[in-house]
Amino acid sequence: AQKVTQAQTEISVVEKEDVTLDCVYETRDTTYYLFWYKQPPSGELVFLIRRNSFDEQNEISGRYSWNFQKSTSSFNFTITASQVVDSAVYFCALSVLAFSSNTGKLIFGQGTTLQVKP
Amino acid sequence: DAGVIQSPRHEVTEMGQEVTLRCKPISGHDYLFWYRQTMMRGLELLIYFNNNVPIDDSGMPEDRFSAKMPNASFSTLKIQPSEPRDSAVYFCASSPGDFQDLNYGYTFGSGTRLTVV
Repeated sequence: AQKVTQAQTEISVVEKEDVTLDCVYETRDTTYYLFWYKQPPSGELVFLIRRNSFDEQNEISGRYSWNFQKSTSSFNFTITASQVVDSAVYFCALSVLAFSSNTGKLIFGQGTTLQVKP
Repeated sequence: DAGVIQSPRHEVTEMGQEVTLRCKPISGHDYLFWYRQTMMRGLELLIYFNNNVPIDDSGMPEDRFSAKMPNASFSTLKIQPSEPRDSAVYFCASSPGDFQDLNYGYTFGSGTRLTVV
């Protein structure tokens, strides 16, 4: 069975602080995909990044960076110099390949609520 | 590209009434997913389709829920009869069958907030 755990329910930081959101996943599949989504107060789910299981290269996009480590089954997300606009719920998610297809269902963690105070 | 389009955005209905939620996926996407979001259970998959065929409906709570995809550009999620515990945000998402594009991710609609009173 697949599972995604985001142990941090809520995090509160002051603007300009760095913050790391943790994500630990479980799967027996060798090929899988990991995602991060952002859900701002307006409610939509915004795609941030996808990583493939065979590519452990870390990713940086502006103030956002992601650290993928298969050895610890973790896919952590860091926001550098946080801003008030980063306040949202962040979801980590896992997708494994369904039988004879290139996609499968997306399994979400419970989400981490990030509050950035001015 | 208009994205995944869901309607209505908000729905308030009385217990026992039939509710129909609608979704238009992104053109060319082979997969369509229905998710439900509640405070207690988070984001949970209800059902998904591949090329209009239901693949996994194990997340559908009970017989009161049904989903159809009559063609590649339209899907419905129906609840009959509705109950207060069905109150939630229902998301539709679509994806292509090819994950080769590294920047690709499942695309979600804006959701339908359902309130059953």
